[in-house]
Amino acid sequence: ETAVFQTPNYHVTQVGNEVSFNCKQTLGHDTMYWYKQDSKKLLKIMFSYNNKQLIVNETVPRRFSPQSSDKAHLNLRIKSVEPEDSAVYLCASSPHWGGSTGQLYFGEGSKLTVL
Amino acid sequence: GDSVTQTEGLVTLTKGLPVMLNCTYQTTYSPFLFWYVQHLNEAPKLLLKSSTDNKRTEHQGFYATLHKSSSSFHLQKSSVQLSDSALYFCALSEASNTDKVVFGTGTRLQVSP
Repeated sequence: ETAVFQTPNYHVTQVGNEVSFNCKQTLGHDTMYWYKQDSKKLLKIMFSYNNKQLIVNETVPRRFSPQSSDKAHLNLRIKSVEPEDSAVYLCASSPHWGGSTGQLYFGEGSKLTVL
Repeated sequence: GDSVTQTEGLVTLTKGLPVMLNCTYQTTYSPFLFWYVQHLNEAPKLLLKSSTDNKRTEHQGFYATLHKSSSSFHLQKSSVQLSDSALYFCALSEASNTDKVVFGTGTRLQVSP
């Protein structure tokens, strides 16, 4: 049963455009993440938030910016997309922060295609 | 930094045979290890997890034992089924204040009739 909801599931756009992906979790978790899964299926963490505060910000281009209004929501904005941004963006949540079990609950993903 | 190594990119087996998918890790912290499974066009889902040294953990016929002495957490099943065909990720959680989960490169398991 899905408890991490992502929209949109698919988005096709052109280079230079702005894109936003939304994520909401109904599990009551404190921590949320954005992962990027590329064409080779590699999963790389981009950001993590604990209770609306940014905890992890991996080395991603500055055109990527996360936004969190409360601990149940974590959105991702890409200001000016590039071809290498084509990927599946996976939102995830976990119950705890700081030495937790680290178990992640993933959304279905948002597939971005940049033409 | 922390890392996870999965040596096989693709494993192809006939149903009914046993399988072992390799996973080794590096960390300076106390490790939590996980196996996630991702079926085609689906999200990754947790399959197994462990932080206890030398204790076997099992779920849905799969099992793994965390061996801190060899930094390994290999995934095994005694008899694979067609429905086991999927992408399997080994992952490591840093027991630190960043709560970051690092994934291996994944192993695709293809089970044939």
